[in-house]
Amino acid sequence: SQTIHQWPATLVQPVGSPLSLECTVEGTSNPNLYWYRQAAGRGLQLLFYSVGIGQISSEVPQNLSASRPQDRQFILSSKKLLLSDSGFYLCAWTGEAEAFFGQGTRLTVV
Amino acid sequence: DAKTTQPTSMDCAEGRAANLPCNHSTISGNEYVYWYRQIHSQGPQYIIHGLKNNETNEMASLIITEDRKSSTLILPHATLRDTAVYYCIVRGNRDDKIIFGKGTRLHILP
Repeated sequence: SQTIHQWPATLVQPVGSPLSLECTVEGTSNPNLYWYRQAAGRGLQLLFYSVGIGQISSEVPQNLSASRPQDRQFILSSKKLLLSDSGFYLCAWTGEAEAFFGQGTRLTVV
Repeated sequence: DAKTTQPTSMDCAEGRAANLPCNHSTISGNEYVYWYRQIHSQGPQYIIHGLKNNETNEMASLIITEDRKSSTLILPHATLRDTAVYYCIVRGNRDDKIIFGKGTRLHILP
């Protein structure tokens, strides 16, 4: 069966520090992969979208970047975190029909 | 932008059927209607999807109008654990991005 792994579950980082969140998918090949962010009390904002290795579409200008080094691996990064980067980050994948989401990483930038 | 409109919030008594409406008047012929829900502090959970026929699974039923411009998600016997934000999303082929609107916040009342 298909599963999606996202870690860590929670993270507290100081302003100006780097960030790396990793997401991996099992049980499928060539998935479309997503990174979303949800600020407190707000909706899910699409950050990055990937249809294949090395193919990244950025949806909003921001302090973050994404990479897809392998078919089933999607990484969200920042060189220097800002306070406004705090939020709930979700990875997701889609196949032909359904979509599945990870359990999220709650990032607090202090 | 999201292609759907939903009420901001709804209440439903525990044990009763919860009927959540969604308008998607600009839906294209090849686009499916998907429903997800997000329980507080978790990743969204897939519920059901359909093209034009009504669908039912172990979680819910999806009723799509004949003109496909609107649909209703039905939770047949709502429980307190069904309290969540419910998202109705329109999406075509597998390379279409999943864009979330604001969803409907469903409160199940004891």
